[in-house]
Amino acid sequence: ETGVTQSPTHLIKTRGQQVTLRCSSQSGHNTVSWYQQALGQGPQFIFQYYREEENGRGNFPPRFSGLQFPNYSSELNVNALELDDSALYLCASSIFQGSTEAFFGQGTRLTVV
Amino acid sequence: AQTVTQSQPEMSVQEAETVTLSCTYDTSESDYYLFWYKQPPSRQMILVIRQEAYKQQNATENRFSVNFQKAAKSFSLKISDSQLGDAAMYFCAYRSPFGNEKLTFGTGTRLTIIP
Repeated sequence: ETGVTQSPTHLIKTRGQQVTLRCSSQSGHNTVSWYQQALGQGPQFIFQYYREEENGRGNFPPRFSGLQFPNYSSELNVNALELDDSALYLCASSIFQGSTEAFFGQGTRLTVV
Repeated sequence: AQTVTQSQPEMSVQEAETVTLSCTYDTSESDYYLFWYKQPPSRQMILVIRQEAYKQQNATENRFSVNFQKAAKSFSLKISDSQLGDAAMYFCAYRSPFGNEKLTFGTGTRLTIIP
């Protein structure tokens, strides 16, 4: 049992709106990574946060932004939502350079209409 | 940039039989990690097995084992004695030991277990 929790589980937003997704890391983990999984695809890396700083970013526009808090929980913010942003958003926590294993949450299903 | 390819969108196997899922990858690095993740309908990614590239011995976890061919850049997953609970999407993933801990995933294989 991994202990990584994400909220909400499902969300419907209108194009142009803004959304915030939340992730609570597994206890003892200091790194959070976010992934976007479009329907029928593998997850794509959005960015990673380590000790409250962004530590790497995938090929996503600046309207995808994030935060990591002192307790290592994290938020993913997406501004100016587009229809193509509809996807499953996965959060994974790990110990930076201390583990080869990332533990995933159950994801947030975002639908943009 | 590294890439991961899974050429089997769907596979099926009879319960109690053995099935092999294929994965190839491309990288210029000599050291790296490879993973198989399972994603059931609950959507949560669950680690099935991992392999460090510097280890020649193939990883094994109970009914799950891999065939790691470094020169061929191939990393297949064998599931023995398939069970109904094995039905899921299976993703192969690559991770570099350098920089951040980004995982690069393949497109997945949907495994169906036939009772």
